Amino acid sequence: EVQLVESGGGLVQPGGSLRLSCAASGFTFSSYWMHWVRQAPGKGLVWVSRINSDGSSTSYADSVKGRFTISRDNAKNTLYLQMNSLRAEDTAVYYCVGGAFDIWGQGTMVTVSS
Amino acid sequence: QAVVTQEPSLTVSPGGTVTLTCGSSTGAVTSGHYPYWFQQKPGQAPRTLIYDTSNKHSWTPARFSGSLLGGKAALTLSGAQPEDEAEYYCLLSYSGARPGFGGGTKLTVL
Repeated sequence: EVQLVESGGGLVQPGGSLRLSCAASGFTFSSYWMHWVRQAPGKGLVWVSRINSDGSSTSYADSVKGRFTISRDNAKNTLYLQMNSLRAEDTAVYYCVGGAFDIWGQGTMVTVSS
Repeated sequence: QAVVTQEPSLTVSPGGTVTLTCGSSTGAVTSGHYPYWFQQKPGQAPRTLIYDTSNKHSWTPARFSGSLLGGKAALTLSGAQPEDEAEYYCLLSYSGARPGFGGGTKLTVL
């Protein structure tokens, strides 16, 4: 079964850090570009970042550039999102998305609040 | 970043036809934007219905179709069913590999 399972979400104070993980199974993870997409409570989808299949190329939304870092470990079939200097506006469900946006995880909630 | 626009809400009668559109602040949407359409129901992750303007996945109901219409990407639902009530998002790809989602269309089947 093709599956993406996110983990690492939780409550963090403003200015804090969090690392999200996304475990892939059921497909050749190392061949796929991967993305992070977020959704604030009651709001729409927002693309956050993407990484190519071998990890040599990344791209970020302006709102997270310089604060978030996407990476992957193809040997572990795992995608990561390191989030630093977190702000209240980063509060959202974070989805791991694979390939041509055809594989979605169930999401992990990140809450930034004091 | 470019702004991707969608109708905030639409209503369709059961069995009826409705077209959702997706525009770009940079100008006409073309096949080079590789338009995607996603469906999201409350409490669920989104799922892809249409990719690359008009291509369907194996799980996409036949009543959904994608096209380009009047400088926008379009998602047409023909023969709406109650289970089609959901939020629909489009996604456009831009140079530099930084795609953008539209704000979503809340579709009511009533």
